[in-house]
Amino acid sequence: DIQMTQSPSTLSASIGDRVTITCRASQSISLWLAWYQQKPGKAPKVLIYDASSLESGVPSRFSGSGSGTEFTLTISSLQPDDFATYYCQQYNSYSPYTFGRGTKLEIK
Amino acid sequence: QLQLQESGPGLVKPSETLSLICSVSGASISSDNHCWGWIHQPPGKGLEWIGNICYGGSTYYNPSLKSRVAISVDTSKNQFSLKLSSVIAADTAVYYCARKPYSYGPFNYWGQGALVTVSS
Repeated sequence: DIQMTQSPSTLSASIGDRVTITCRASQSISLWLAWYQQKPGKAPKVLIYDASSLESGVPSRFSGSGSGTEFTLTISSLQPDDFATYYCQQYNSYSPYTFGRGTKLEIK
Repeated sequence: QLQLQESGPGLVKPSETLSLICSVSGASISSDNHCWGWIHQPPGKGLEWIGNICYGGSTYYNPSLKSRVAISVDTSKNQFSLKLSSVIAADTAVYYCARKPYSYGPFNYWGQGALVTVSS
């Protein structure tokens, strides 16, 4: 299995802050990585796919970068609606598909 | 607008089979451009992919669950289903159905999720 190591597990930040979440794959997954946002009691929502492509309708303050084994999700200026849990997911192969353990973004 | 909706028993006894249906509206499940999948999330924990079924009926399962899982499609009802046999308490989770592109791509449409509790 391809292991996805996500950090940090918890992140405290303030409105307007720039925040970065990292995801490392245990082997190269090229660009086949997505980032999801999940709020309590709701299904995950895709923000970024193919490492850096912004899903339609997602605010431009979200961006993704990276390739191979190192990936980042950046929120340029935190808004109140952004406090949630974020997951990365690799879809390089059915080896199986795997998710990171999540990053809970909390209000400082 | 594509919508997915999970349905099925909310309580299953240990050693029995968990069965869920995902009803799809706004698109044909026979589309050759997409796969349909199941993901589960134990309470307070992260997401785990269970498996997909794609155009032509090809199925892909998580090896950790493969011996207990079956995913199938009913094109006449525009639905797909999940069966997970010999359930244990650790299978208690919210079960999501979702759609992804046939080739590489994320799960970009999700159902709202269905909580299934395994308990006697």
